Amino acid sequence: DVKVTQSSRYLVKRTGEKVFLECVQDMDHENMFWYRQDPGLGLRLIYFSYDVKMKEKGDIPEGYSVSREKKERFSLILESASTNQTSMYLCASSSQGFEAFFGQGTRLTVV
Amino acid sequence: ELKVEQNPLFLSMQEGKNYTIYCNYSTTSDRLYWYRQDPGKSLESLFVLLSNGAVKQEGRLMASLDTKARLSTLHITAAVHDLSATYFCASFPYNTDKLIFGTGTRLQVFP
Repeated sequence: DVKVTQSSRYLVKRTGEKVFLECVQDMDHENMFWYRQDPGLGLRLIYFSYDVKMKEKGDIPEGYSVSREKKERFSLILESASTNQTSMYLCASSSQGFEAFFGQGTRLTVV
Repeated sequence: ELKVEQNPLFLSMQEGKNYTIYCNYSTTSDRLYWYRQDPGKSLESLFVLLSNGAVKQEGRLMASLDTKARLSTLHITAAVHDLSATYFCASFPYNTDKLIFGTGTRLQVFP
C-alpha cells in the first residue's frame, strides 16, 4: 500500500513564526503536492513538485515556499505564519499523472 | 488554466433514491479522478477515468467520463447512509501533472 505520512496531525503556532510541514511518501513517486482545504473552497493547490529540487506554483503560493531535497520528502514552509493561514493542509503524491494518494492531513492553527 | 466545477455543492437525499453529481472542467483533459472524504479524514481514491467513454462502477457508485463535453458524472444508485461523505472530482490539465480539484459535493443520506 502507498503510504503518505505527514509529520503532524495538529499544530498550533504563533503569528510570525516560521512553520515547517513535512511530508514523506514511500512509493518512489515523482510528483508531490501540497493543498490547503477550507470550508466551501475545496482543495486549493499551493505548490507541486515533479522531481527533486523542481517545483511549480499552484493557485495560491503567496506566503508559502517548498523544498524537495530528496525524492521521498516534500516540505511546505510558512515563512511568517499569519492567522489567515489557519487551515487543513494535505500532502499527496502520484506517479506521472496517475491517481494521487493523500496523507492524513495537518490541521494548523495560527494564533 | 484548468477550472473544475462540481454541482451540486450540497446534496441531501433519502435512502433508496438515485442521484447524479456533475463535474465540469474547463480545458482539455483526458484524466479524471473521483475521491471520497469522510469528516475529519483525508481523501480516499474512488475512481480513475483515463479515456473518453470510460465507465467505472463500485457498489452503488458509478462514474463516467465524456472528454468531448468535458464532463464527468458520479451516479448514486439506491443511496444508503454509509455513502454520506464529501465527494471530489479532480483533473490534470492536458500534458501537465498539476492536479486540480473541484469544490466538492457534500452528500447526506437520511432514512
